[in-house]
Amino acid sequence: DAGVIQSPRHEVTEMGQEVTLRCKPISGHNSLFWYRQTMMRGLELLIYFNNNVPIDDSGMPEDRFSAKMPNASFSTLKIQPSEPRDSAVYFCASSFRGLAGVFKSEYEQYFGPGTRLTVT
Amino acid sequence: AQSVAQPEDQVNVAEGNPLTVKCTYSVSGNPYLFWYVQYPNRGLQFLLKYITGDNLVKGSYGFEAEFNKSQTSFHLKKPSALVSDSALYFCAVRDSNSGYALNFGKGTSLLVTP
Repeated sequence: DAGVIQSPRHEVTEMGQEVTLRCKPISGHNSLFWYRQTMMRGLELLIYFNNNVPIDDSGMPEDRFSAKMPNASFSTLKIQPSEPRDSAVYFCASSFRGLAGVFKSEYEQYFGPGTRLTVT
Repeated sequence: AQSVAQPEDQVNVAEGNPLTVKCTYSVSGNPYLFWYVQYPNRGLQFLLKYITGDNLVKGSYGFEAEFNKSQTSFHLKKPSALVSDSALYFCAVRDSNSGYALNFGKGTSLLVTP
């Protein structure tokens, strides 16, 4: 398996522009997570999905942020309009959620390589 | 509520010496505990986890962690550190009473010197 795939790896944009980050989870995983990492705030959970349904979006900082998961193999995180304080590394992670204790790898999250976003 | 604390921002150790990276947790139910490692410009990589069973958990790259319920700790250990172990280490917890998400600590930077 190729692991979690994120694109683009780097994004530089100007303030006010729309930014879309993309994620392809590991095949067979049914939970997907979006994180943001900065030096100041560390690793923050933005939103997570289970079976393509958003479960908790309380970490989404503002209405400028939105996330979708139209199917089991694709998710997007959109920022519109972008601001300089959105500059960070954004990670997508996936995991399998089943019957607790039945599957050895349950709850292990596998992270993508991240998208480094710079908003000028 | 669930939370995890990593009291050390940085740990320095000489190559060949044992290393310990500390983690304490707080949950209302049973804890599911994890350690992840992050190398520069990379995503987090799963090292090991504790859900139930033996308190000593063995993971990737020779790392192990000991679950201590009375001290609510899950310290990461390795008997002999390598320079290549230098990285950022994250402890994470999931409360058995909560949803699917993990709560990550702020991370501990491990520096192993030759």
